Amino acid sequence: KAGVTQTPRYLIKTRGQQVTLSCSPISGHRSVSWYQQTPGQGLQFLFEYFSETQRNKGNFPGRFSGRQFSNSRSEMNVSTLELGDSALYLCASSLEPGQGGITEAFFGQGTRLTVV
Amino acid sequence: TQLLEQSPQFLSIQEGENLTVYCNSSSVFSSLQWYRQEPGEGPVLLVTVVTGGEVKKLKRLTFQFGDARKDSSLHITAAQTGDTGLYLCAGSRTGNQFYFGTGTSLTVIP
Repeated sequence: KAGVTQTPRYLIKTRGQQVTLSCSPISGHRSVSWYQQTPGQGLQFLFEYFSETQRNKGNFPGRFSGRQFSNSRSEMNVSTLELGDSALYLCASSLEPGQGGITEAFFGQGTRLTVV
Repeated sequence: TQLLEQSPQFLSIQEGENLTVYCNSSSVFSSLQWYRQEPGEGPVLLVTVVTGGEVKKLKRLTFQFGDARKDSSLHITAAQTGDTGLYLCAGSRTGNQFYFGTGTSLTVIP
């Protein structure tokens, strides 16, 4: 069974630009969550999507947005990039508790975004 | 405010030593996961504990969930250099929102 796939793995962007990151969840998983990881702040929750709807949202500015498609693939977008957006962006997929009993998050390898 | 606090934040030990990492919260979780993360990679799920007081063993790693389901510990016996990494605990309460701990960076010196 293929794991969570994130593309691209590495990205360098300039301040003010926008970026789109992609995540393909494990087959059968309908919940996709996004996290930002930095050395100083650790893993910070961005948002979670289920059945194409944003279900939970973390405390990030509106420049961070996402969406989910009917095949459960998800994208996140960051507009007007700032230097502080440099981070490892992680996507995780999981089953609904009703589908498998226990809720577990399985992560992709992440996208390393560097803003210069 | 972080919902899950891990201690210690950094740990550097000699190969062969034992260690324990703690994950504490004032909140109750329906399940708790432990992950290990290598630099530049995503966290890899090690174990999930669900029942209060549950103990799970994974080779040299022993995981325990507190009776009240608010805390957990990870004990490594006879640490090896391959155990080096960032250890993260994560709690789930409802739905698929996970609350991650602050992380413990472990370095095992040969």
